[in-house]
Amino acid sequence: KAGVTQTPRYLIKTRGQQVTLSCSPISGHRSVSWYQQTPGQGLQFLFEYFSETQRNKGNFPGRFSGRQFSNSRSEMNVSTLELGDSALYLCASSLGSGTYNEQFFGPGTRLTVL
Amino acid sequence: GEDVEQSLFLSVREGDSSVINCTYTDSSSTYLYWYKQEPGAGLQLLTYIFSNMDMKQDQRLTVLLNKKDKHLSLRIADTQTGDSAIYFCAERGDTDKLIFGTGTRLQVFP
Repeated sequence: KAGVTQTPRYLIKTRGQQVTLSCSPISGHRSVSWYQQTPGQGLQFLFEYFSETQRNKGNFPGRFSGRQFSNSRSEMNVSTLELGDSALYLCASSLGSGTYNEQFFGPGTRLTVL
Repeated sequence: GEDVEQSLFLSVREGDSSVINCTYTDSSSTYLYWYKQEPGAGLQLLTYIFSNMDMKQDQRLTVLLNKKDKHLSLRIADTQTGDSAIYFCAERGDTDKLIFGTGTRLQVFP
């Protein structure tokens, strides 16, 4: 069974640009969560989507948004990029939503903002 | 609020046991997890424990949970160089969000 895939793996953007990251969950998984990992803030929860609906949201500004498609693939978008948005963005999928569902992580997309 | 703390570094000799500690603040945590992250990779779930348990063993891994003190530990027996990585504890409480600790970098030397 293929794991969680994220594209692209690496990305370089400049301040003010916008970026879209993609995540394909494990086949059959309906929940996708996104996390931001930085040396200073560690791993922080961005949002979770289940059946095309945002189910939970972390404490990030509105520049960070996401969506989920009917095939459970998810995208996250960051508009008006800032230097501080440089991070590893991790996506995780699970069968369902909520506490009892194990999350499987992808390798991440490393975003560098210049 | 929810907060999860870990020590930053741990260095052990190959063959010894490693113990990685974690403290959390959310008393409503239902599941507590240990993840491993190797360089350039995502997170791999190692093991988890339900909050009504105090110990779980899985091959070389032993998880101990002291719910009264909100303290979680991961013991790795017979630590190998391949165990060198960053280890994160995480908890899920009634907000359903997965809250991660700061991560402990384990270095195994021969």
